[in-house]
Amino acid sequence: GAVVSQHPSRVICKSGTSVKIECRSLDFQATTMFWYRQFPKQSLMLMATSNEGSKATYEQGVEKDKFLINHASLTLSTLTVTSAHPEDSSFYICSAPRTLNNEQFFGPGTRLTVL
Amino acid sequence: GENVEQHPSTLSVQEGDSAVIKCTYSDSASNYFPWYKQELGKRPQLIIDIRSNVGEKKDQRIAVTLNKTAKHFSLHITETQPEDSAVYFCAENNFNKFYFGSGTKLNVKP
Repeated sequence: GAVVSQHPSRVICKSGTSVKIECRSLDFQATTMFWYRQFPKQSLMLMATSNEGSKATYEQGVEKDKFLINHASLTLSTLTVTSAHPEDSSFYICSAPRTLNNEQFFGPGTRLTVL
Repeated sequence: GENVEQHPSTLSVQEGDSAVIKCTYSDSASNYFPWYKQELGKRPQLIIDIRSNVGEKKDQRIAVTLNKTAKHFSLHITETQPEDSAVYFCAENNFNKFYFGSGTKLNVKP
């Protein structure tokens, strides 16, 4: 199956700093990628859709100025959590669909801890 | 997600019994319904999926049924084993976005 990677897998940062998370599709091109956030014992909540060559579209309630998304190429999307606060601590997962059959391929996730 | 309701939130079964998890959705335009298994701290793994032109699909001990009229779909696991213990999520594909159900924690007791 297709492979999606994420980097870093874990990050611990101080409150007020910014953190960048990378999502790469390794063996296919993805014009669209998705970013999810998952709090402990909860479901995956769609945050935004990353679109190659255009602006990301954000779900209701997600601050676009806080969660900056850049889809730099057909294989790379980045999510930057700006001015991180402890409440931003969560598991962030990206996914990329194979457009032919809609199947989603998930990255391994990034565990963010903001102190 | 708000588009998909999933029940039950927790499910305990004895090894060898069957487990059924149900989801309902609201948008009749949705056309793809995957089920994922997620172990603690790991990414969701697709276990089975179904498209809106099919009513049922089976893969060994796992089956999914879809009722488009009622807008619900179900995951059936037969002959459950302890390694089936995990959190299961249904999802709905809506305009190429995926919205997940709230999850079901399945515990298979040996």
